[in-house]
Amino acid sequence: GAGVSQSPSNKVTEKGKDVELRCDPISGHTALYWYRQRLGQGLEFLIYFQGNSAPDKSGLPSDRFSAERTGESVSTLTIQRTQQEDSAVYLCASSPMGRTDNSPLHFGNGTRLTVT
Amino acid sequence: DAKTTQPPSMDCAEGRAANLPCNHSTISGNEYVYWYRQIHSQGPQYIIHGLKNNETNEMASLIITEDRKSSTLILPHATLRDTAVYYCIVRVGWGGKLIFGQGTELSVKP
Repeated sequence: GAGVSQSPSNKVTEKGKDVELRCDPISGHTALYWYRQRLGQGLEFLIYFQGNSAPDKSGLPSDRFSAERTGESVSTLTIQRTQQEDSAVYLCASSPMGRTDNSPLHFGNGTRLTVT
Repeated sequence: DAKTTQPPSMDCAEGRAANLPCNHSTISGNEYVYWYRQIHSQGPQYIIHGLKNNETNEMASLIITEDRKSSTLILPHATLRDTAVYYCIVRVGWGGKLIFGQGTELSVKP
């Protein structure tokens, strides 16, 4: 079946502009995660959704970052007043979150954000 | 959260088995060990996970020591396409996030 889909695949924006990144999880997956990966670095956790609620927002780096999820499906990560240090690949993942607690996460290929 | 330690890099000859070690000495009883890999410019790909028994799937085998303080991911016949960064991760509870470390950069050479 279809995997996690992210759009756009690439985004170039000017410093100070707002951007929205979209994630379509695998159908039926109730858990959704956002990560950030700067060039040559590891993955940084940003936020986790269970359904439409976000019980863990501990990784959001500043109040310029926000995310929402609707219909237990699509999620949008919004970055306001972008800065050059926001340049990174933003990765989304989903998992089934069934009765067991060991469901693996399935990742999309990310959105590469470049702030000029 | 249990922390993992992996060597930063490893080489493997094409066609040979690649054995990637991981230490997780502070793992707790209900934490699973997960392995992912990331090929350049792609999102991380799930490989395998386990709790205490050895696991095998079409991609790899996972060997977990009896005391669960370490594990080894085995790619039985490495190919050039297996060149990637491999991450060993201990899962943080129910629905918990995966905390990625720096991983092991595996280079498969002809």
